[in-house]
Amino acid sequence: QKEVEQNSGPLSVPEGAIASLNCTYSDRGSQSFFWYRQYSGKSPELIMSIYSNGDKEDGRFTAQLNKASQYVSLLIRDSQPSDSATYLCAVNRDSSYKLIFGSGTRLLVRP
Amino acid sequence: DGGITQSPKYLFRKEGQNVTLSCEQNLNHDAMYWYRQDPGQGLRLIYYSQIVNDFQKGDIAEGYSVSREKKESFPLTVTSAQKNPTAFYLCASSTLVAAYEQYFGPGTRLTVT
Repeated sequence: QKEVEQNSGPLSVPEGAIASLNCTYSDRGSQSFFWYRQYSGKSPELIMSIYSNGDKEDGRFTAQLNKASQYVSLLIRDSQPSDSATYLCAVNRDSSYKLIFGSGTRLLVRP
Repeated sequence: DGGITQSPKYLFRKEGQNVTLSCEQNLNHDAMYWYRQDPGQGLRLIYYSQIVNDFQKGDIAEGYSVSREKKESFPLTVTSAQKNPTAFYLCASSTLVAAYEQYFGPGTRLTVT
C-alpha cells in the first residue's frame, strides 16, 4: 500500500463547476497535510495546508480533513481553465521533516 | 526578489559522468531539500539539511551526494553510481518552524544517455 494515494485522473470538469480531488494516507500519526499545484513542466506550488479535522477555506479552494478516515480532499469552486494542472497531496511522516507526496491527480477544466 | 534558483534548467550528460546541480535560496530559510520526480510520479526525497554542515539521507539517497557549506546553497551531485539518473530534480526550502511548508525552485531536468 502506498503511503499517500491519489487517483491519477484525469479528472475533467466544465468551467464553473466544482472540482473535487481526493487523497488517502496510511500513517495514522500524520498531523500535517498539504496540497500542491503543479503545472506541466513546472515545479510544485503550495496552495493549501490543513492541520485539524474539518474544512479550511481560502478563496475558491477548500481543504477538508478527516483523520479518522485518513482522508484529505481539495475542493475547487468555480473551476477555471487556468486551474488545469496536477494536484499533489503531501503528508508529513512521523515527527521528521519529511513530506510524503502522492503521485498527483491531473485536473482538466473544459472551457 | 526572494526565491530559489536552480541551474541549469536542462542538463545532458553521458552515462558514467558525475554531474552537480545547483540550488541557491535567498529566503533566509534554514532547511533545504532535494527531490526527484519521474514522469507520472510524486516527489521522492533524496537528501535534506536543517543546518549548515549537516544533512540527512532521504528515501532514495543511493548514488547521490550533497554538501551544505553555506546557508544559501545546497548543491546535489548525481554520481555514476545512480542507476537511473534521468529525472526532474527539484530543490526546496523552508523555515524550521514551518518545515512542512516547502517552497520549490524551478527544477533541473537531467537527461543521461
